[in-house]
Amino acid sequence: GQNIDQPTEMTATEGAIVQINCTYQTSGFNGLFWYQQHAGEAPTFLSYNVLDGLEEKGRFSSFLSRSKGYSYLLLKELQMKDSASYLCAANYGGSQGNLIFGKGTKLSVKP
Amino acid sequence: EAQVTQNPRYLITVTGKKLTVTCSQNMNHEYMSWYRQDPGLGLRQIYYSMNVEVTDKGDVPEGYKVSRKEKRNFPLILESPSPNQTSLYFCASRRGSTDTQYFGPGTRLTVL
Repeated sequence: GQNIDQPTEMTATEGAIVQINCTYQTSGFNGLFWYQQHAGEAPTFLSYNVLDGLEEKGRFSSFLSRSKGYSYLLLKELQMKDSASYLCAANYGGSQGNLIFGKGTKLSVKP
Repeated sequence: EAQVTQNPRYLITVTGKKLTVTCSQNMNHEYMSWYRQDPGLGLRQIYYSMNVEVTDKGDVPEGYKVSRKEKRNFPLILESPSPNQTSLYFCASRRGSTDTQYFGPGTRLTVL
């Protein structure tokens, strides 16, 4: 099966910038999602990258390199409410559109 | 309001007592999925459906059944629940295979 790897935990300071990396297997890859999940709640959509490059959406940006099987989520001007788990999910397409999730990165933002 | 709903939100039951968790979406989405989420294991897909009467196994289908008789509904059935099925369950839907997936609020199931 496809392996999606991301760090288990990260800690950062309020106001800082943090980068959460995600690697995936490239065979059959269609695109990469990032979701945010607060404890006990449902994941919510942040971004979807299909093409190489950086996509910016306010304080959050997501980068994709298809040839390297690599993505990152960049969070700027961190706020306490950004403390959450961040899930990357690779779409392996085909008619079934198989979506494989990483185990998530738990981000703790400290004052 | 576009949403995915699940019921019940919380359930405590005993081993062997059949249960159904309902899932409904109002976005006319083709694709629906069920996931379970366990500490350290992340989200794992149980079953998915690409359309009415079309369902297939995900990564962890053992002990679960699903049906898709109508486009909006995708119930998850545990015929004989066991303690290892204690988990947080999410239903999700999306329009197409490459579209954004929307999650329901989750069902926390405990099997004693």
